[in-house]
Amino acid sequence: DTEVTQTPKHLVMGMTNKKSLKCEQHMGHRAMYWYKQKAKKPPELMFVYSYEKLSINESVPSRFSPECPNSSLLNLHLHALQPEDSALYLCASSQDKGGGSYEQYFGPGTRLTVT
Amino acid sequence: GENVEQHPSTLSVQEGDSAVIKCTYSDSASNYFPWYKQELGKRPQLIIDIRSNVGEKKDQRIAVTLNKTAKHFSLHITETQPEDSAVYFCAASSNYGGSQGNLIFGKGTKLSVKP
Repeated sequence: DTEVTQTPKHLVMGMTNKKSLKCEQHMGHRAMYWYKQKAKKPPELMFVYSYEKLSINESVPSRFSPECPNSSLLNLHLHALQPEDSALYLCASSQDKGGGSYEQYFGPGTRLTVT
Repeated sequence: GENVEQHPSTLSVQEGDSAVIKCTYSDSASNYFPWYKQELGKRPQLIIDIRSNVGEKKDQRIAVTLNKTAKHFSLHITETQPEDSAVYFCAASSNYGGSQGNLIFGKGTKLSVKP
């Protein structure tokens, strides 16, 4: 099973709202990722968790706050977003970050609209 | 850091023809090269990948070739079908340094297969 699930599928929020995106995988993967994808652009890496520890923060604004409660779950907490943050947010997982196992499998994404 | 260039940005072929998409990378330490297919409104889907110890890999109608000396790799789709229409992204990653395992994506190629 190579499935990564994400909820919600769609989210509309105002600039003063607080919301969370959720991601789950049951493949035993130890690395999980958040990407942001704007229309007609490639996925852009935001955060990487390896063994439930944040290993890379690609200089993402603090209005995005990741959380990894356990090895199967990944959350992205959103607060005081801007309209330009509207995008498809993708979660991905891989067996590990190194050691020769790099295949990353993506979830279906959350389509976020900030009004 | 790594930079991945992808060409062409759009490609239109007749059903049954072959399609070739090319990517170049800059970091000689990169050693893993996946290709993703993304249909409109859907997740990026891993379709084939190649590691630096291999020059070519095939899976039915798709193949990937890697030239480490020239730092380029290509996706070949034979006997194209309308369902091959999508955006294709190449990517590269390294097993070294702080960014190990992180995917650096090309800008994508929109492939249209005309019946």
